[in-house]
Amino acid sequence: EAGVVQSPRYKIIEKKQPVAFWCNPISGHNTLYWYLQNLGQGPELLIRYENEEAVDDSQLPKDRFSAERLKGVDSTLKIQPAELGDSAVYLCASSTTGQGNTQYFGPGTRLTVL
Amino acid sequence: AQSVTQLGSHVSVSEGALVLLRCNYSSSVPPYLFWYVQYPNQGLQLLLKYTTGATLVKGINGFEAEFKKSETSFHLTKPSAHMSDAAEYFCAVSGGLWGSKLTFGKGITLSVRP
Repeated sequence: EAGVVQSPRYKIIEKKQPVAFWCNPISGHNTLYWYLQNLGQGPELLIRYENEEAVDDSQLPKDRFSAERLKGVDSTLKIQPAELGDSAVYLCASSTTGQGNTQYFGPGTRLTVL
Repeated sequence: AQSVTQLGSHVSVSEGALVLLRCNYSSSVPPYLFWYVQYPNQGLQLLLKYTTGATLVKGINGFEAEFKKSETSFHLTKPSAHMSDAAEYFCAVSGGLWGSKLTFGKGITLSVRP
């Protein structure tokens, strides 16, 4: 069974440019998460989807970040415009619905903003 | 609020020695507890988790952890370290009002000396 797929794996952009990350979760997983991982830190939740609905986006900086999961499967996370401080790894994870269920992580997208 | 404390950022052991990585958590409700491992340029992989039942949990690659409610701890151990265990290890907690959101510690880098 395929795991969580993310693309691109690496992205280098100039500040003020837009950037988008794509995630394809494990088949059958209704819950999808986007996490931000800064260097030397643990991941921090940005947004959680249950099917198409964003049920927890309290940590998403909505002035520049947006996300969508239109058909309840794939998801896209966008930053516009990017700032130097956005340089980090963006991780996508998926799980079946329910507390305590295992979250399966993709390999992440490493963003560098110059 | 939930929080996780992983004391120290780096642990170094000799090959064949005991591995002990400490994790303490704060949660106002019975927690779900997880240990994840991250190899360079990869996503997080679940080592083990505690949800309910037996407090000693066995995971992959010979790791185990014990949930101690009185000490609010979930330390990770392995009797004999292998070179391949060198990686970063994250403890995480979820549950209660925070649902399936994972709150991670800062992580511990494990080095294994020949």
